[in-house]
Amino acid sequence: EAGVTQFPSHSVIEKGQTVTLRCDPISGHDNLYWYRRVMGKEIKFLLHFVKESKQDESGMPNNRFLAERTGGTYSTLKVQPAELEDSGVYFCASSLSGAVQFFGPGTRLTVL
Amino acid sequence: GQQLNQSPQSMFIQEGEDVSMNCTSSSIFNTWLWYKQDPGEGPVLLIALYKAGELTSNGRLTAQFGITRKDSFLNISASIPSDVGIYFCAGRLNNFNKFYFGSGTKLNVKP
Repeated sequence: EAGVTQFPSHSVIEKGQTVTLRCDPISGHDNLYWYRRVMGKEIKFLLHFVKESKQDESGMPNNRFLAERTGGTYSTLKVQPAELEDSGVYFCASSLSGAVQFFGPGTRLTVL
Repeated sequence: GQQLNQSPQSMFIQEGEDVSMNCTSSSIFNTWLWYKQDPGEGPVLLIALYKAGELTSNGRLTAQFGITRKDSFLNISASIPSDVGIYFCAGRLNNFNKFYFGSGTKLNVKP
């Protein structure tokens, strides 16, 4: 069974540009999470989808970030316009129910 | 938001040595998880703890849910080179699936 996949693995953009990250959860997992890790710091929760609904988006930094999960399958996280402080590794995770979350390999975003 | 204090930040040890790392929180958690991240990969769950005082092993790894419910420990016995990576603790306040993570312990093992 395929794990959580993320695309792209790396993205380098200039400040002010737009970037869209994609996450494909494990098939059948209703719960999908986005996290971000800025270098050397903790993995920080951004938001949680249950199917296509946002269950908790309390970790989203500001309105430059938009997450969607139309149809309740894959999810996208768009950053527009990107700022320098948005650089980091963005992880997606999915779970069937309960606490056990399976993480994707992450997208390393660098904003210059 | 919640802050988890994870220590140490990094460790350099010799193969065969035992390792201990821990996480503390100012809040009471009902679940503690320990993950390992290899380079270029996402974190992989090692051990899940659901009850205060619980002690759980996974091979050479042992983790404990502190009795105060504000801390957790991970021990690795007889370390080997493939133990190299970043270890993260994560805790949950309630039964919603929002986890707070520590900043990671980077483990280096010298053969």
